[in-house]
Amino acid sequence: RKEVEQDPGPFNVPEGATVAFNCTYSNSASQSFFWYRQDCRKEPKLLMSVYSSGNEDGRFTAQLNRASQYISLLIRDSKLSDSATYLCVVNTLQKVTFGIGTKLQVIP
Amino acid sequence: DTAVSQTPKYLVTQMGNDKSIKCEQNLGHDTMYWYKQDSKKFLKIMFSYNNKELIINETVPNRFSPKSPDKAHLNLHINSLELGDSAVYFCATGPTGAREQFFGPGTRLTVL
Repeated sequence: RKEVEQDPGPFNVPEGATVAFNCTYSNSASQSFFWYRQDCRKEPKLLMSVYSSGNEDGRFTAQLNRASQYISLLIRDSKLSDSATYLCVVNTLQKVTFGIGTKLQVIP
Repeated sequence: DTAVSQTPKYLVTQMGNDKSIKCEQNLGHDTMYWYKQDSKKFLKIMFSYNNKELIINETVPNRFSPKSPDKAHLNLHINSLELGDSAVYFCATGPTGAREQFFGPGTRLTVL
């Protein structure tokens, strides 16, 4: 089993739709979790941290489920500008592991 | 001011050559990283430095040697370049312990 698994997509959704991505991880000792966004031919940029209590930033909601070892990202009211690849990141004390990323394409 | 900068942005070179990529950050972070993103877009950590000391060294060929002259710089030197080294190399920095990272714009290396 891979350390961090994501569905690479692509997810093609119409503007205004709600879309959710999941990311599973194998190491139960993982300590911190993040979502990054990467636009085509650009560097990854931090989107948000992920906490067990869940956290929200505008149209974006991130959630951590430690029991099932997955994190999720929900995007409401999708905009064309949300089109990008979304990378989940799982950290232990010793290691930083990126998922392969899920590609989102928002269609007019 | 660019927070994390890398030079060069593009690097095209022949197999067998030696090349260096430079990274500088002005965020005052203690930890710096090098990542490789291959053609399949998989982003893999290569090295991590904290306060100029090597913390993480993933299974990277010893042709790759990071050098950190000070906390603001982490350079990557690659010897005897191979076709499989073609990729985008990203430098990143982060505060110690927080593990969130800030990436440079990347260096696109093409080995012919």
